[in-house]
Amino acid sequence: EVQLVESGGGLVQPGGSLRLSCAGSGFNVTDYDMHWVRQVTGKGLEWVSSLGPTGNTYSTESLKGRFTISRDNAANSFYLQMDSLSVVDTAIYYCARESGGSGSGGFDVWGLGTMVTVSS
Amino acid sequence: QAGLTQPPAVSKGLGQTATLTCTGNSSNVGNEGVAWLQQHQGHPPKLLLYRNSNRPSGISERLSASRSVNTASLTITGLQPEDEADYYCSAWDSSLRVWVFGGGTKLTVL
Repeated sequence: EVQLVESGGGLVQPGGSLRLSCAGSGFNVTDYDMHWVRQVTGKGLEWVSSLGPTGNTYSTESLKGRFTISRDNAANSFYLQMDSLSVVDTAIYYCARESGGSGSGGFDVWGLGTMVTVSS
Repeated sequence: QAGLTQPPAVSKGLGQTATLTCTGNSSNVGNEGVAWLQQHQGHPPKLLLYRNSNRPSGISERLSASRSVNTASLTITGLQPEDEADYYCSAWDSSLRVWVFGGGTKLTVL
């Protein structure tokens, strides 16, 4: 079964760091553009970052320098390293697969999400 | 970075047709095309259509999409209770090199 499972969320103090993981099964994450998307409770979706098959990465401008996307091919997983966290980063973080080619928007597989809470 | 513009809410009756809009610019909606996602409360998003009109397997043919210049539309015919959800559009912005989402439209089926 094609599936994505996120982990690594939790409660962290402002200024702290977290590393989110997204494990793929039923397909190779290296064959697709893989994305992180976040959603503040009750609000809309916000794209965070993506990592393509060739290793090319893109990130939303406001998060560059704090959030870094990476991949472990052997583990069939990709990650989001989040540093210097602030309360505005509190959200559910989803990972998603993009099928149909880069830029197609074919976000056809989503994880259930992992909650990140930044609070003192 | 500016997002795409969607009306916050649309209400239609059971069995009626709803058309949801998504407005961007020539670098996103008018260029690469749009994807549409549905999200029920408490669940992750679900892909409905991508690259304007490509439909993943299992998605109802009651859903269709179109685009005119920088505005994309999602049309849902024969509205059912399960269509009540939040709908998001998304597009790659080739100028900013980022993905942009609309703020979402809450569809209520009366």
